[in-house]
Amino acid sequence: DAGVIQSPRHEVTEMGQEVTLRCKPISGHDYLFWYRQTMMRGLELLIYFNNNVPIDDSGMPEDRFSAKMPNASFSTLKIQPSEPRDSAVYFCASRRQGRAGELFFGEGSRLTVL
Amino acid sequence: AQRVTQPEKLLSVFKGAPVELKCNYSYSGSPELFWYVQYSRQRLQLLLRHISRESIKGFTADLNKGETSFHLKKPFAQEEDSAMYYCALISGGYQKVTFGIGTKLQVIP
Repeated sequence: DAGVIQSPRHEVTEMGQEVTLRCKPISGHDYLFWYRQTMMRGLELLIYFNNNVPIDDSGMPEDRFSAKMPNASFSTLKIQPSEPRDSAVYFCASRRQGRAGELFFGEGSRLTVL
Repeated sequence: AQRVTQPEKLLSVFKGAPVELKCNYSYSGSPELFWYVQYSRQRLQLLLRHISRESIKGFTADLNKGETSFHLKKPFAQEEDSAMYYCALISGGYQKVTFGIGTKLQVIP
């Protein structure tokens, strides 16, 4: 099992451009989480899904951020338009129902907005 | 609302010295707490959970409900313990996972 797969690993873009980050959770996992990691704020929960349905998106910073999970094996996090303050590492994680706290993380997508 | 506080962003200790990484939480319900670790160039991974009362890589953590704390301890630090450590809290019916800001542990040879 390759674990949680995220793409791209690195993204450099210019302010105002659209950014799409992708995540493939571990097969059979019911929950999917998107986190943002920065030096100042650590790991912030942006949004999470249960069985493809968004449960809590209160961590999404602004309307510029959106996330979808069209099926059990794929999720996207989109930023449009991107700004320099969005520069961070974005992590996707998944877990199985009944295994609360046992998150499996992807390697992260490092985003740099110039 | 739930909250996890890790007061130290950086903790430096000498090899062989005891380590204590602090974690305090705020939650009105019954807490479930965990420690995660991120070694250099590796994925963030679960280290230990309070409910299992286990010792992993020499680390232990005890939940103290009176002090709302879940500090991570190790009696003798090793160089390979150098990493980023995150305390996490599970809350709510859908078991939201909230992390602290993280503490970078640096073990000096």
